[in-house]
Amino acid sequence: DAGVIQSPRHEVTEMGQEVTLRCKPISGHDYLFWYRQTMMRGLELLIYFNNNVPIDDSGMPEDRFSAKMPNASFSTLKIQPSEPRDSAVYFCASSRSGQETQYFGPGTPLLVL
Amino acid sequence: AQSVTQLGSHVSVSEGALVLLRCNYSSSVPPYLFWYVQYPNQGLQLLLKYTSAATLVKGINGFEAEFKKSETSFHLTKPSAHMSDAAEYFCAVITNSGGYQKVTFGTGTKLQVIP
Repeated sequence: DAGVIQSPRHEVTEMGQEVTLRCKPISGHDYLFWYRQTMMRGLELLIYFNNNVPIDDSGMPEDRFSAKMPNASFSTLKIQPSEPRDSAVYFCASSRSGQETQYFGPGTPLLVL
Repeated sequence: AQSVTQLGSHVSVSEGALVLLRCNYSSSVPPYLFWYVQYPNQGLQLLLKYTSAATLVKGINGFEAEFKKSETSFHLTKPSAHMSDAAEYFCAVITNSGGYQKVTFGTGTKLQVIP
């Protein structure tokens, strides 16, 4: 299995621009998680899906952030408009069930200038 | 409220010495506990997990952790540190309440191994 796939590999953008991060979970995994990692705040859970349905989005920082999972093999995290404080590494992870091991993607480092 | 506390954001040990990374948690329902490792510029990888079976859990690379309910702890240990163990380690707790999963990661502990 290829593991969790994230794209782009890295992203640099200017403040105010829209950013879309993509994730392909491991086939057969019913749960998908989006995390953000920064030096200041550590690893934060933003949102997770179960069977393509958003279950808990309480970690999404504000309305500028949105996430979708149109099917079992694809999810997006969108930031519109982006701000410099959104700079972080964004990770996607998937698992078979809610209590099982989460498998993390390589992350997408985002720099907003 | 559910929480995870990792004591010590940075830990340094000599090569060959005992590694002890501390993790304490709080949760109102029985937890599932995990230790993950993150090498530079990579995602997190599972080291080991506790899921209500044996309280002493063995993981990869010689690491193990013991679940102590009375102390609400899940400390990670390795008898002899290797240079390749230098990384950041995260403790995580997952609980299931009413069909909802609550996931909480600790703030991480960076392990430095001194030759």
